[in-house]
Amino acid sequence: ETGVTQSPTHLIKTRGQQVTLRCSSQSGHNTVSWYQQALGQGPQFIFQYYREEENGRGNFPPRFSGLQFPNYSSELNVNALELDDSALYLCASRAGQGFDEQYFGPGTRLTVT
Amino acid sequence: AQSVTQPDIHITVSEGASLELRCNYSYGATPYLFWYVQSPGQGLQLLLKYFSGDTLVQGIKGFEAEFKRSQSSFNLRKPSVHWSDAAEYFCAVGARSGYSTLTFGKGTMLLVSP
Repeated sequence: ETGVTQSPTHLIKTRGQQVTLRCSSQSGHNTVSWYQQALGQGPQFIFQYYREEENGRGNFPPRFSGLQFPNYSSELNVNALELDDSALYLCASRAGQGFDEQYFGPGTRLTVT
Repeated sequence: AQSVTQPDIHITVSEGASLELRCNYSYGATPYLFWYVQSPGQGLQLLLKYFSGDTLVQGIKGFEAEFKRSQSSFNLRKPSVHWSDAAEYFCAVGARSGYSTLTFGKGTMLLVSP
């Protein structure tokens, strides 16, 4: 158990819809990163939040957006869902911006039909 | 930009046999290096990491990895595999500058035969 939780566990959406995924970071962690893991692939970095500000973004379109709240929990929002958005979405939390003690949540499996 | 190559998509090892999973990275300087394990339907669990110092790193569950700068490699090893080690293994590299994110390889699926 890492203390990082994600909800929901599974989700099925239709192409064109919008989805919000949630991540509760481990106590004391103020940095949250989101990753997309397509089937048969390694995780790919989407974006990162540090103290409620986005401070890094991977090669994902603007329809992928996020928020971090004062308690450092986070949301990932995806608009205009496409079939290729079907994936496992992982969040990871850590204290500060280094690599020490980063923990991943169990992920949310999104299926777009 | 950094990248990671895991040349083996699948590996099958007999229980009790030794294991080596290969990882090659591309990065302009000495990177941070990681190995993660993912069981079906689960998130990622950190096995071990290399930041600096001794190039042979010990991790959890009896795993170790060796950083070889000359070969740009960070191979994962275990002397005796257990059936519970069957899972997918990911090598990752982290940049020493910027906002400290990870670049993962595509993973190696480990199958353990009786």
